[in-house]
Amino acid sequence: QQQVKQSPQSLIVQKGGISIINCAYENTAFDYFPWYQQFPGKGPALLIAIRPDVSEKKEGRFTISFNKSAKQFSLHIMDSQPGDSATYFCAARNSGGYNKLIFGAGTRLAVHP
Amino acid sequence: DAGVIQSPRHEVTEMGQEVTLRCKPISGHNSLFWYRQTMMRGLELLIYFNNNVPIDDSGMPEDRFSAKMPNASFSTLKIQPSEPRDSAVYFCASTLELGGPNTGELFFGEGSRLTVL
Repeated sequence: QQQVKQSPQSLIVQKGGISIINCAYENTAFDYFPWYQQFPGKGPALLIAIRPDVSEKKEGRFTISFNKSAKQFSLHIMDSQPGDSATYFCAARNSGGYNKLIFGAGTRLAVHP
Repeated sequence: DAGVIQSPRHEVTEMGQEVTLRCKPISGHNSLFWYRQTMMRGLELLIYFNNNVPIDDSGMPEDRFSAKMPNASFSTLKIQPSEPRDSAVYFCASTLELGGPNTGELFFGEGSRLTVL
């Protein structure tokens, strides 16, 4: 119940295309859903986050869509660029307190020029 | 501003040796997390501290692993004795916990890549 399932494992997109990464969870006590971006040799860094009382959040080319009833959320990257090539992790936090994040398995995105 | 600082960045050791990884969190942050990243298991939370006190160490794989936070600006993760299956990238992250529903961004260090031969 503590798991966050992420798909696909890897994704190849052409420059200018839309990248879509999906995550699903079971624990209804999760109350915060961030996405982290990781470049090779670096630590993950927060990209965008959403709370379950909102169905969508957009920051520039990055959008999170959240479906509370289905317990699913997804990251959309519009106009994907080669510089977006990285590993993306979805995560969830239990409302029980502390920022203990449970991460998905990660999606390796490659954007080809 | 300095981010989370981890050392060493790379460590190669032989099976059975003791390994100590170090972390300096961002000044003013009150929570610190140790994660392990492998291809097979992704990012696993090992342990986290709040105000220097270990809150949850349920992710620590075995008694060979131990972590300490003697003060607000320093933490160590020790593996003794090390085994080849401990090979991974170990990340330290910190945040400012405000309590309740408030969320804090986790700031990760660049990681310590451990190879146990």
